[in-house]
Amino acid sequence: NAGVTQTPKFRVLKTGQSMTLLCAQDMNHEYMYWYRQDPGMGLRLIHYSVGEGTTAKGEVPDGYNVSRLKKQNFLLGLESAAPSQTSVYFCASSSLGEGGYEQYFGPGTRLTVT
Amino acid sequence: AQRVTQPEKLLSVFKGAPVELKCNYSYSGSPELFWYVQYSRQRLQLLLRHISRESIKGFTADLNKGETSFHLKKPFAQEEDSAMYYCALTTSGTYKYIFGTGTRLKVLA
Repeated sequence: NAGVTQTPKFRVLKTGQSMTLLCAQDMNHEYMYWYRQDPGMGLRLIHYSVGEGTTAKGEVPDGYNVSRLKKQNFLLGLESAAPSQTSVYFCASSSLGEGGYEQYFGPGTRLTVT
Repeated sequence: AQRVTQPEKLLSVFKGAPVELKCNYSYSGSPELFWYVQYSRQRLQLLLRHISRESIKGFTADLNKGETSFHLKKPFAQEEDSAMYYCALTTSGTYKYIFGTGTRLKVLA
């Protein structure tokens, strides 16, 4: 099993450009999440999905859109990138289990917006 | 609102010394608490969860509902414990995690 994979690993964008980050998981998990990690801010939830075709806003959704057309994929889009979106983006997936549900993380995407 | 607080951004200890990484939470119901760890150049991974009451890599954490705390402890730190540690909370019936801001642990030789 590859677990959770993210594409790309690194990207540099200019202000106003758009891009899509792809997250894929092969564990048949129902839930998927996008976080951003910033120094001193920890992990903040951007959007999440509780199943194919469903998405919901997290803590910091502005400037991002998501789609989950297939159970195994969760896409994060930036329509018009801003320097404030410079961050490391992590995708995670989980499946409901006893005692909560462990989140499995991808390796991260380091995005710089100039 | 639910919140997880990790008061220390950086904790430096010498090898062999005891370690305690603090985590406090605010939630009126019954939370589920976790510790995640991120070693250098690696992805975040689950270290332990309160409900399993297990010891992983020598680390333990006890949920104290009276003090709303879930501190992570290890009696003798090792250099390979150096990493970023995140405390996280979920609640029954939700699908979201609330993460703390993280504590970087540095174990000095």
